[in-house]
Amino acid sequence: SAVISQKPSRDICQRGTSLTIQCQVDSQVTMMFWYRQQPGQSLTLIATANQGSEATYESGFVIDKFPISRPNLTFSTLTVSNMSPEDSSIYLCSVEVVAGANEQFFGPGTRLTVL
Amino acid sequence: AQSVAQPEDQVNVAEGNPLTVKCTYSVSGNPYLFWYVQYPNRGLQFLLKYITGDNLVKGSYGFEAEFNKSQTSFHLKKPSALVSDSALYFCAVRDITNAGKSTFGDGTTLTVKP
Repeated sequence: SAVISQKPSRDICQRGTSLTIQCQVDSQVTMMFWYRQQPGQSLTLIATANQGSEATYESGFVIDKFPISRPNLTFSTLTVSNMSPEDSSIYLCSVEVVAGANEQFFGPGTRLTVL
Repeated sequence: AQSVAQPEDQVNVAEGNPLTVKCTYSVSGNPYLFWYVQYPNRGLQFLLKYITGDNLVKGSYGFEAEFNKSQTSFHLKKPSALVSDSALYFCAVRDITNAGKSTFGDGTTLTVKP
């Protein structure tokens, strides 16, 4: 298993600013993912964070808007850049300890409100 | 491409009755299937998974799910529902060739009434 912490847990930001969300895992993991979730709705995968290389983005998400870092096997950051109210959502970090037929573990989420 | 459908947005059951939350999937190869639960104001938790072997898998909190290849389904079940089971449930599927990325369903809100 893996225990994941995210910072901040919530934030209220002004339009046009940027916010960086941190994800820390208590053990080394192979796969790290970033999702977006509207409250009570499904998860949308933003990107897979790759250690030592550029993240792999899903359709509709670009690096300029959501730059991601993953400097090691336990830590990643997601930045939401030039925010607009449409970016208001819950952002979730998720990991798969070993790539394969394994379940994912999720962080508690960061609730972002953009005014 | 892979996809998963949860045809019911909401399921309501009385405490003590059996519950079923439905999930159907589509993958090009063999599937890995997962159920997750999200309690109010909490993160997603893993419930159970099907990888291979016995079609009936048992998971946390007394839940089980049955893999049905001919019907491409993986319904979540529990013989006797508890009020504390009320939560949002997500089915997820992964094609074994799809580099570890799971596709999640839209979620089903389960409400168990006393």
